[in-house]
Amino acid sequence: AQSVTQPDIHITVSEGASLELRCNYSYGATPYLFWYVQSPGQGLQLLLKYFSGDTLVQGIKGFEAEFKRSQSSFNLRKPSVHWSDAAEYFCAVGAESGGGADGLTFGKGTHLIIQP
Amino acid sequence: KAGVTQTPRYLIKTRGQQVTLSCSPISGHRSVSWYQQTPGQGLQFLFEYFSETQRNKGNFPGRFSGRQFSNSRSEMNVSTLELGDSALYLCASSVPSPYGYTFGSGTRLTVV
Repeated sequence: AQSVTQPDIHITVSEGASLELRCNYSYGATPYLFWYVQSPGQGLQLLLKYFSGDTLVQGIKGFEAEFKRSQSSFNLRKPSVHWSDAAEYFCAVGAESGGGADGLTFGKGTHLIIQP
Repeated sequence: KAGVTQTPRYLIKTRGQQVTLSCSPISGHRSVSWYQQTPGQGLQFLFEYFSETQRNKGNFPGRFSGRQFSNSRSEMNVSTLELGDSALYLCASSVPSPYGYTFGSGTRLTVV
């Protein structure tokens, strides 16, 4: 069964500093990997996704993520955070088999706090 | 284009009642999936529909059911509500493969 681990429940970063959110996954084949962001009371917004090809993917809002197969990781990065980046971030893995989708498996999330 | 629309946004029900939640996907998206989000369990996959057929189901009791209509709109139903069913229920639509699900804002269900 697929699984996703986000080891950091909370992360505090100063505004303007760089950010890295960790994500490790477990899946037997090449996974589909996603990062979503959720603001309080809202749904999930897709930041970026990886299916194949270039292992460094660019997303919206200045985020990027790097797929490392050898480490089963898909860490999210941003060179300089803004106060508006404060939110909950979810890493997810998905797969498609037998013609049907298995749904997304989400990590528990990382709560990002931005210090002024 | 319009995003994924979920109605209602908020719902309060009494234990033992049943509830129906609605989801209208993005135009052209034929796949709709449902997720439950709670503080304790996080985001959990409920089920996915494509062309009115349930393609996959998560590990939830039979009280949770859904359906999809010919216009791709979907409903999920929870019968005999329990306090533990209080959650944010999220609907997502996509083209028929996991190439980036687009989520709605969710329905916040409170069972009292």
